[in-house]
Amino acid sequence: EVQLVESGGGLIQPGGSLRLSCAASGFAVSNLYMGWVRQAPGRGLEWVSIIYGAATYYADSVRGRFTISSDTSKNTLYLQMNSLRAEDTALYYCARDPGLPVQAFDVWGQGRMVTVSS
Amino acid sequence: EIVLTQFPGTLSLSPGERATLSCRASQTVSSSYLAWYQQKPGQAPRLLIYRASSRATGVPDRFSGSGSGTDFTLTISRLEPEDFAVFYCQQYGSSPYSFGQGTKLEIK
Repeated sequence: EVQLVESGGGLIQPGGSLRLSCAASGFAVSNLYMGWVRQAPGRGLEWVSIIYGAATYYADSVRGRFTISSDTSKNTLYLQMNSLRAEDTALYYCARDPGLPVQAFDVWGQGRMVTVSS
Repeated sequence: EIVLTQFPGTLSLSPGERATLSCRASQTVSSSYLAWYQQKPGQAPRLLIYRASSRATGVPDRFSGSGSGTDFTLTISRLEPEDFAVFYCQQYGSSPYSFGQGTKLEIK
């Protein structure tokens, strides 16, 4: 079964760091685009980042503070979040993009909450 | 950065009616790399349409997508009770791969 399971997250003070993990099963993360999308409480979806091989892309709001990476031996995607701000508070989803012809997020994790507050 | 604007913000319809949701891009979306997602409360989004008009696996044929360039449409031909949710468009033609702000489809 194709599945994504996030872990990590929680409550963190402004300026702190946190790492989210996303364990994949049923497919290899190394062969596909993998990404992160977040949703602030009561708000819409915000694209955060995507990785394909060595190529990484970021939203302007997180560039320079967040780093996306993957470990093919663990078949896991990561999001390292540094210099966290209150506006980073959100439910973070990992998702896979299988590439052509689909080229959109077709499988999503259940989401992991990150709360930035003092 | 491509900004996606969805309208209307809220659409109130009854089961059996036809729904038309719009998504307008601030710049041309290359290769019609435009997707539609449905999100129900407490759930992750679900991919409905990719490449503007292709239905994702398992999506009922009452859902259809159309459009190109800067104007895109999601149509639900005959609303079922389970269709009421929030719908988002997303462009993945150029990074950052932005989402629209969403259209809430509610029962009238």
